Amino acid sequence: DTGVSQDPRHKITKRGQNVTFRCDPISEHNRLYWYRQTLGQGPEFLTYFQNEAQLEKSRLLSDRFSAERPKGSFSTLEIQRTEQGDSAMYLCASSSPVSPHYEQYFGPGTRLTVT
Amino acid sequence: DAKTTQPNSMESNEEEPVHLPCNHSTISGTDYIHWYRQLPSQGPEYVIHGLTSNVNNRMASLAIAEDRKSSTLILHRATLRDAAVYYCILRGNTNAGKSTFGDGTTLTVKP
Repeated sequence: DTGVSQDPRHKITKRGQNVTFRCDPISEHNRLYWYRQTLGQGPEFLTYFQNEAQLEKSRLLSDRFSAERPKGSFSTLEIQRTEQGDSAMYLCASSSPVSPHYEQYFGPGTRLTVT
Repeated sequence: DAKTTQPNSMESNEEEPVHLPCNHSTISGTDYIHWYRQLPSQGPEYVIHGLTSNVNNRMASLAIAEDRKSSTLILHRATLRDAAVYYCILRGNTNAGKSTFGDGTTLTVKP
């Protein structure tokens, strides 16, 4: 399967702990996006990369959040000092440089529960 | 970002056509209309997109109003597997693919 993969699929952590999620995009996709989705709502944009450069960050991305894409391939999203409000599904998507108007391919998501 | 408005929920009977509406009255001339759907416990999945002309693909058809202020996603014969949340979003040439998803329309398909 050559789709977008995310790891882990589920993460339960205690408030105050740090967590890190990984996203592997479709190979040769140069754009990678992170979204957050809470129950009953649509995905909210967090940040995106073009190759290894992080080009935009949403105001939703507080100082406790950091994302990297060091070699322009996989990406990590780290949340420091987790809070209960961080509980959500974290979605990763990628798009090809030749896809029409940035058609995005999403991964299955990482569900984070902060207790 | 221009916003879209969709009904919260719709119901359909299996094997009947479904018309999912979307209003986007503040659409700009360069915004493309994209539709995604999200099945339970999965990430969103691209369905179709268009600019001005109606579009067809293997999954659905997209009918765009002449003034582009609204569009309709058409599923020609709904199946139980089409039960999902359907999102209508606008994507311009300058926002590099980041999207503002609303809350979408939850489609229920009855057997």
